[in-house]
Amino acid sequence: NAGVMQNPRHLVRRRGQEARLRCSPMKGHSHVYWYRQLPEEGLKFMVYLQKENIIDESGMPKERFSAEFPKEGPSILRIQQVVRGDSAAYFCASSPGRAGTGELFFGEGSRLTVL
Amino acid sequence: AQSVTQLGSHVSVSEGALVLLRCNYSSSVPPYLFWYVQYPNQGLQLLLKYTTGATLVKGINGFEAEFKKSETSFHLTKPSAHMSDAAEYFCAVSSGSARQLTFGSGTQLTVLP
Repeated sequence: NAGVMQNPRHLVRRRGQEARLRCSPMKGHSHVYWYRQLPEEGLKFMVYLQKENIIDESGMPKERFSAEFPKEGPSILRIQQVVRGDSAAYFCASSPGRAGTGELFFGEGSRLTVL
Repeated sequence: AQSVTQLGSHVSVSEGALVLLRCNYSSSVPPYLFWYVQYPNQGLQLLLKYTTGATLVKGINGFEAEFKKSETSFHLTKPSAHMSDAAEYFCAVSSGSARQLTFGSGTQLTVLP
């Protein structure tokens, strides 16, 4: 019974390159959330998606960041022209429906290092 | 607006001793409260949650937490620490929507032999 799968687990990029992080939700889950964890900080909400729809992107930086959750395939968080400040752990979570109580199932995270 | 404060970024206890991790929240509406645990290089796992009803909530691995509205607190306790409890613990509050889930900055628990 696979959980939330994220890849890559670790990614190293040089400044100016692009980073793509992938997330496959738990089987039967149609709602995906992306969070960012900076060193020594808690998780910060970035974006909430359902299949083919962005529901809430209020936590996404205005530039360089985008997310999608296509009809087929994983959700992707894309960071263009990365900068050192983008270095963080990016966590994906999923829920079977609208997780009104906030109970989410988390993946193991993708750790991005920008040189 | 809502926020979470976890007092003590690092807590050390001896094996077998009481574990107490503190969490205070602020919320303009009745909150939903959560404790998550994160083991090294892993994702977050839900320990327990309070939504409505009984204010003493029992979770996995022997942990429990009590919602105290008057103190705006949701402290996490375990009577007897085990080495396997060493991890980072996050308190979180929600006003009823997962995208409004606000996390504290975490408490790293070390268990000493």
